Amino acid sequence: AQTVTQSQPEMSVQEAETVTLSCTYDTSESDYYLFWYKQPPSRQMILVIRQEAYKQQNATENRFSVNFQKAAKSFSLKISDSQLGDAAMYFCAYRSGGGSEKLVFGKGTKLTVNP
Amino acid sequence: NAGVTQTPKFRILKIGQSMTLQCTQDMNHNYMYWYRQDPGMGLKLIYYSVGAGITDKGEVPNGYNVSRSTTEDFPLRLELAAPSQTSVYFCASSYYRVAEAFFGQGTRLTVV
Repeated sequence: AQTVTQSQPEMSVQEAETVTLSCTYDTSESDYYLFWYKQPPSRQMILVIRQEAYKQQNATENRFSVNFQKAAKSFSLKISDSQLGDAAMYFCAYRSGGGSEKLVFGKGTKLTVNP
Repeated sequence: NAGVTQTPKFRILKIGQSMTLQCTQDMNHNYMYWYRQDPGMGLKLIYYSVGAGITDKGEVPNGYNVSRSTTEDFPLRLELAAPSQTSVYFCASSYYRVAEAFFGQGTRLTVV
């Protein structure tokens, strides 16, 4: 079974600085998708970024980028120029490219942005 | 666009009571999901549906039932509520299997 591990329960960053959130996963599959979701205090789960395992190029969305290391099974999220609105829980998630329907989530990292 | 709408947002149930959590999406998505989120944990899949009339169990289906009579609606039924079902429940939908999942705002359920 696939597992997702987020080793940092909490992180903090100064406004305008850069922070990296870690995620590792365990799978024997070659076809899969990885996601980072943001959950602000409003509880809404919002997709931040998505990475297909078959793509070597790291995904980027504005201030958010990932470092996808397939061999190491690592999928970290970098947030540049951090803003107060980035404060939230961040969840790393895995979905199989075939077979299981479920998203497998890590336990989350709580990000605090200090002014 | 409304996206995925869940009702109610909060609910307190007594042990043994039943209720239905409603979920509606207006994006014409085939895939719909119910997850629960326990404190300090990620989300776990309860049930999912790949289209109207088709549902299947996820990781933690015990104590729940679902139906999917239309593309838009995917209600989750709790029968004989138990304290272990105290959680935040999320409904989600996606256009195809590996596409981005859109989530509702969640329902915080407390069973006392």
